[in-house]
Amino acid sequence: DARVTQTPRHKVTEMGQEVTMRCQPILGHNTVFWYRQTMMQGLELLAYFRNRAPLDDSGMPKDRFSAEMPDATLATLKIQPSEPRDSAVYFCASGARGYGYTFGSGTRLTVV
Amino acid sequence: DQQVKQNSPSLSVQEGRISILNCDYTNSMFDYFLWYKKYPAEGPTFLISISSIKDKNEDGRFTVFLNKSAKHLSLHIVPSQPGDSAVYFCAARTQGGSEKLVFGKGTKLTVNP
Repeated sequence: DARVTQTPRHKVTEMGQEVTMRCQPILGHNTVFWYRQTMMQGLELLAYFRNRAPLDDSGMPKDRFSAEMPDATLATLKIQPSEPRDSAVYFCASGARGYGYTFGSGTRLTVV
Repeated sequence: DQQVKQNSPSLSVQEGRISILNCDYTNSMFDYFLWYKKYPAEGPTFLISISSIKDKNEDGRFTVFLNKSAKHLSLHIVPSQPGDSAVYFCAARTQGGSEKLVFGKGTKLTVNP
């Protein structure tokens, strides 16, 4: 059963530290999304890639967030420096030009 | 500015009865709508979808209805089962080939035995 793998599942870090979240999309999927879930905003799109090229990162705070796909099997979301307001669950999803996407189990980030 | 709104944060129904989850949208450029289901500590999973050219799509116990003139869609679950207890997200995609999905904030459904 193909799945999107996200690591780590949980991360607790101190304010000001760098955080890197990783995502392994489903093999063959060429579209990758990063979403953030908070109680106040629900699921917000941060960035997405097609064929490893960034297509839209307008939802991402540019000064501290960055998203990359170094290769087709890895997507990363980095926060530097992290702040308490970044505490949320971060989801990666991948798809193959279809109408639905497969989500990973998420990374629960807590910044103290 | 919430383009996709789920105005009921929670819903509680009895097992065997119908669950109706509602979703409103403001962007008339949305052409495809999806429902996702999310259990705690898991990612959302795709449930059912509907294109804007249709007004109904059915899959087993799940039916989605779309009213374009009212910019409203609903998900019906009949009969509801305790295993359906989860958070349900409505999502929409715009015309023009963009693959971005805009999500509502979700409705937590509890089905009581």
